Amino acid sequence: AQTVTQSQPEMSVQEAETVTLSCTYDTSESDYYLFWYKQPPSRQMILVIRQEAYKQQNATENRFSVNFQKAAKSFSLKISDSQLGDAAMYFCAYSGGGADGLTFGKGTHLIIQP
Amino acid sequence: DTGVSQNPRHKITKRGQNVTFRCDPISEHNRLYWYRQTLGQGPEFLTYFQNEAQLEKSRLLSDRFSAERPKGSFSTLEIQRTEQGDSAMYLCASSSGTSGGTDTQYFGPGTRLTVL
Repeated sequence: AQTVTQSQPEMSVQEAETVTLSCTYDTSESDYYLFWYKQPPSRQMILVIRQEAYKQQNATENRFSVNFQKAAKSFSLKISDSQLGDAAMYFCAYSGGGADGLTFGKGTHLIIQP
Repeated sequence: DTGVSQNPRHKITKRGQNVTFRCDPISEHNRLYWYRQTLGQGPEFLTYFQNEAQLEKSRLLSDRFSAERPKGSFSTLEIQRTEQGDSAMYLCASSSGTSGGTDTQYFGPGTRLTVL
């Protein structure tokens, strides 16, 4: 079974600084998909960024980028120029492809210090 | 443009009662997923529909749980004889189901269940 591990229960960063959230996963598949979702307090989960395992280029979405290390099974999220609105729980998720349900990590609580 | 909606948003019930939740996916999305999220944890996959067909069920989905998606539109999740351990946030997500790979899943706001 696939597992996703987020080793940082909580991270804190000053506004405008850069922060990196860690995620590792375990799978025997060669083709899969990885996601970062954001869940603000009392609000619904939204997709931040996704990465296809067959793509060597790291995904980027504006201030959000990933460092995908397939051999190490690592998928970290970098948030540049942190903003107060980035404060949320961040979940790393794995999908084996097709219509699989997502396997989530336990999440990292990101605090933005003004 | 409406996203995924879920009703009710909150449900408080007594142990042993039955509860039913509803999820309305994004219009024309073929795939619909149910997850359960307990406090301090990430969501856990429960079940998945492709149109009206329930194609996958997690072992977390005990016999007390049943899900339907009549006509491939909205879905309902029913929990019979609720237990205190069923207290959680129940999340619904939908995806278009049109790509050959993994579609992005869009989540609803969830239904928070409290079993007293």
